[in-house]
Amino acid sequence: GQNIDQPTEMTATEGAIVQINCTYQTSGFNGLFWYQQHAGEAPTFLSYNVLDGLEEKGRFSSFLSRSKGYSYLLLKELQMKDSASYLCAASDSNYQLIWGAGTKLIIKP
Amino acid sequence: DGGITQSPKYLFRKEGQNVTLSCEQNLNHDAMYWYRQDPGQGLRLIYYSQIVNDFQKGDIAEGYSVSREKKESFPLTVTSAQKNPTAFYLCASSTGAGTGANVLTFGAGSRLTVL
Repeated sequence: GQNIDQPTEMTATEGAIVQINCTYQTSGFNGLFWYQQHAGEAPTFLSYNVLDGLEEKGRFSSFLSRSKGYSYLLLKELQMKDSASYLCAASDSNYQLIWGAGTKLIIKP
Repeated sequence: DGGITQSPKYLFRKEGQNVTLSCEQNLNHDAMYWYRQDPGQGLRLIYYSQIVNDFQKGDIAEGYSVSREKKESFPLTVTSAQKNPTAFYLCASSTGAGTGANVLTFGAGSRLTVL
């Protein structure tokens, strides 16, 4: 079966760094997406990885290892506005997204 | 500003009633999607449409219906046949077909509660 696993909740301190992990098992693989979703709002696109390695975009970076079925989202210099859920989703052989349940990130002052 | 508008934001329904959730986009996107979001679960695809007057069932289509008469509009009807309709419903669109082939743009969601 197809499956995405990510932690349910994480807590971090303002100004610190946090890494949100995601492991996936899919029938075929066509990339890994990360979306951010504030409570009661629309998810918004953060990053897309299809090749192994690190993609950096400002304070946010995303890493992919295809051989390990593993990705992480790295958030630096955390701000209170980063408090949100982070959704990991893998694209399967039919280019359909398989979604994780999301990681709720709580930022404390 | 281009985007997706969902309405209503909150909706209450009595058991046995059908309700329709509106989704309108002005992004000129060909593909549109409806997802359901429940606590502790990933997004689940209800229906999707790649072109006007055509749509396909997703993973959990039972108890739902859609139409795509205009490129901009993709309304979702939650029928009385849906046994557990209380959820947060998200509409999305993309330039091309395939949720995993394109970046999705989401609406702000509609929260449906069955009384």
